[in-house]
Amino acid sequence: QVQLVESGGGVVQPGTSLRLSCAASGFTFSHYGMHWVRQAPGKGLEWVAGLSSDEKRKPIADSVKGRFTISRENSKSALYLQMNSLTTEDTAIYYCARDPDVSGHFSYFDPWGQGTLVTVSS
Amino acid sequence: QSALTQPRSVSGSPGQSVTISCTGTSSDVGGYNYVSWYQQHPGTAPKLMIYEVTKRPSGVPDRFSGSKSGNMASLTVSGLQAEDEADYFCSSYEVNYKLVFGGGTKLTVL
Repeated sequence: QVQLVESGGGVVQPGTSLRLSCAASGFTFSHYGMHWVRQAPGKGLEWVAGLSSDEKRKPIADSVKGRFTISRENSKSALYLQMNSLTTEDTAIYYCARDPDVSGHFSYFDPWGQGTLVTVSS
Repeated sequence: QSALTQPRSVSGSPGQSVTISCTGTSSDVGGYNYVSWYQQHPGTAPKLMIYEVTKRPSGVPDRFSGSKSGNMASLTVSGLQAEDEADYFCSSYEVNYKLVFGGGTKLTVL
């Protein structure tokens, strides 16, 4: 079955870096777009970054632009999020999610992983 | 990149219907048919309920339906059941290949 498993979360200090991973299985990873979506404690969902199947489209949210980088390694069916210069406002559960990525548009998130918690605190 | 606007809460009794609105602009909801809806129960990951405005993934009850008019999309839940109580989020594709979510709506089944 299709499965996404995030890892790499933890407690870090402001100003430091963290790299999240998402391991995909049960589908041909290289055929799909992928996203990172985050949810701060008790808050709503915030789209963070996306990466198309052909890696030509790599949009990123204004709130993390210049600090976060999304990448993928198709040979390992893996998605990554490199997060630099972390602030307390980056504290959230980070989910990876699959996108069908057809017709040149990102369209929806399905399925989602279980999420990994990132806590930025001094 | 502004969040889409959703009511903070809606409620209904079992068997009734409720509608959750999602208001954006011509740069997102109004400009593309890539609106989707997600259900999230406490402590769990979101689940896709509607995609491309009106389409329902297999396994989602036909009590859930989506629509769009202009810059506003809507999710209707008919025949409310206790298990429908959850948070619901809309999402839309927007210009420059980005995506945006609504602030979320808490659905309470009375």
